[in-house]
Amino acid sequence: GQQLNQSPQSMFIQEGEDVSMNCTSSSIFNTWLWYKQDPGEGPVLLIALYKAGELTSNGRLTAQFGITRKDSFLNISASIPSDVGIYFCAGPRGSQGNLIFGKGTKLSVKP
Amino acid sequence: DSGVTQTPKHLITATGQRVTLRCSPRSGDLSVYWYQQSLDQGLQFLIQYYNGEERAKGNILERFSAQQFPDLHSELNLSSLELGDSALYFCASTQGGGWDEQYFGPGTRLTVT
Repeated sequence: GQQLNQSPQSMFIQEGEDVSMNCTSSSIFNTWLWYKQDPGEGPVLLIALYKAGELTSNGRLTAQFGITRKDSFLNISASIPSDVGIYFCAGPRGSQGNLIFGKGTKLSVKP
Repeated sequence: DSGVTQTPKHLITATGQRVTLRCSPRSGDLSVYWYQQSLDQGLQFLIQYYNGEERAKGNILERFSAQQFPDLHSELNLSSLELGDSALYFCASTQGGGWDEQYFGPGTRLTVT
């Protein structure tokens, strides 16, 4: 079935550094989503991508929809302590509305 | 604040028991999705309701069931609980029945002892 593989699993960075993480699949996705989850909270939608090759920004966050439609990337520039959390990629399962999620990338930022 | 509310925030119960989790979607949203988040399985889709009708089913155990009421709030019922059912349960809502950006509630943390 469809699966999303995220890497890296975790990252430990210094405040101010840039961060890159990615998500790959063996299947094609027509939409890619990036969510962030803070401890004890629900996932919050950061960026939605709808077209292959699309590059979309939300503040210091930039995400790209891969040309092959089998991958997506999320970059965070000039990280700050509140960027700490788990970042998930997700995509709709076929024509259904429910989402498939990657296992997440856990980000830790040292002040 | 996503506009999706879930109660209770925490629930501790014993094996074999039955619990009910409640979700109120954002105003105007007709679809409710339930997800389970555990350490080993990650976020897994359980079931979707749209305007009171079941729309899609995922990895939901037979011991679990859900319904959506006329006021569009939804309940997830978990019965004959096992230790492995301990997890975070989230609901999300969207306006339509098909694909749309989903907004998640704060979750219910279930601990089965």
